[in-house]
Amino acid sequence: DAGVIQSPRHEVTEMGQEVTLRCKPISGHNSLFWYRQTMMRGLELLIYFNNNVPIDDSGMPEDRFSAKMPNASFSTLKIQPSEPRDSAVYFCASSLWQRNQPQHFGDGTRLSIL
Amino acid sequence: AQTVTQSQPEMSVQEAETVTLSCTYDTSENNYYLFWYKQPPSRQMILVIRQEAYKQQNATENRFSVNFQKAAKSFSLKISDSQLGDTAMYFCAFMTQGGSEKLVFGKGTKLTVNP
Repeated sequence: DAGVIQSPRHEVTEMGQEVTLRCKPISGHNSLFWYRQTMMRGLELLIYFNNNVPIDDSGMPEDRFSAKMPNASFSTLKIQPSEPRDSAVYFCASSLWQRNQPQHFGDGTRLSIL
Repeated sequence: AQTVTQSQPEMSVQEAETVTLSCTYDTSENNYYLFWYKQPPSRQMILVIRQEAYKQQNATENRFSVNFQKAAKSFSLKISDSQLGDTAMYFCAFMTQGGSEKLVFGKGTKLTVNP
């Protein structure tokens, strides 16, 4: 079975540019999560969706960040404009909406903002 | 708010030996779930083992087992017969049973298995 698929795997761009990260969850999963991982702050939940609806976006750092889930098989995380402090690994994860079901992670996108 | 603490930033173990990674958490909830995830250098986040708080029996998955002490809010991971492929960052994570599906992660423990 295909796991969570993220693209791109690496992204290097200049400050001020728009960045779009993409995620395809596991088929049949109805919850989707975006995390950011840095050395200083560890793994932080940015936002999560259930049945394509954003449930909690309290972790989104500021208005420059936005996330969408137009359908059950696709989500995007956008940063506009990007800043060097946004450099991190961004993970997408999906799960089945039942309390004891684990989250399955994609391979992450390593984002570098110059 | 729930917090997860992993007090050992780094650990090392010889191949074939046993190592225990510590995790404590803080919550006022009675029902919740605990997880250990492994992140090897390849960067994947891989679920190692999970525990439901209402179960007294400690979870076991092959060479991996946990020591769950609910009263002490402790959830340690024991790796038996350590293998070189166990070298990775290990993250302890907490999720409440009711309400949000949020996973709260600890800062991680970097484990190195030496030949």
